[in-house]
Amino acid sequence: DTAVSQTPKYLVTQMGNDKSIKCEQNLGHDTMYWYKQDSKKFLKIMFSYNNKELIINETVPNRFSPKSPDKAHLNLHINSLELGDSAVYFCASSHGGPGELFFGEGSRLTVL
Amino acid sequence: AQSVTQLDSQVPVFEEAPVELRCNYSSSVSVYLFWYVQYPNQGLQLLLKYLSGSTLVKGINGFEAEFNKSQTSFHLRKPSVHISDTAEYFCAVSAGSYIPTFGRGTSLIVHP
Repeated sequence: DTAVSQTPKYLVTQMGNDKSIKCEQNLGHDTMYWYKQDSKKFLKIMFSYNNKELIINETVPNRFSPKSPDKAHLNLHINSLELGDSAVYFCASSHGGPGELFFGEGSRLTVL
Repeated sequence: AQSVTQLDSQVPVFEEAPVELRCNYSSSVSVYLFWYVQYPNQGLQLLLKYLSGSTLVKGINGFEAEFNKSQTSFHLRKPSVHISDTAEYFCAVSAGSYIPTFGRGTSLIVHP
């Protein structure tokens, strides 16, 4: 069983569309994250979600909205997609506290 | 706020040679330090971590790192690299909020 799974793995869409990426973890972790990795491999935190508390990165446009139906799932919805949204989006989870993150395999979003 | 600097964007090395990947951090509070590896088209996986205790930390695949508080460094080393070590390596630091901040990555390229 994959510990942190993301779907879809690849997503190609047109500017202006709305899309979602789903993430599920079966590790029993309390905290989940979304990171964005740009074309230069730079990883930037977008959101962290812990026990119904959402921590938002102030630099993330409000077109991005995370949704967590329960603590095993953290989905990412993106409205009005722009060219600059093209990137690989990684979901991760942890126990919270200073421990390691467990990453999914990433979802590569291409906006045309 | 914390920050991480990986001084080398790319490190080429021959197989069976030693390697050091450099990482420096900045934080006003006590930190927790991590090295992750990313193989092509995959998510990140933990190589090793420093939370407390011994400053010399051993990880998977023969890697080790040393936490040096006075120099605010956490350099990654391996005495003899293999072709299979070719990958992107990320240093990360977390502090009060426990949300890790990642460096920009170092591409390790092992030549036969």
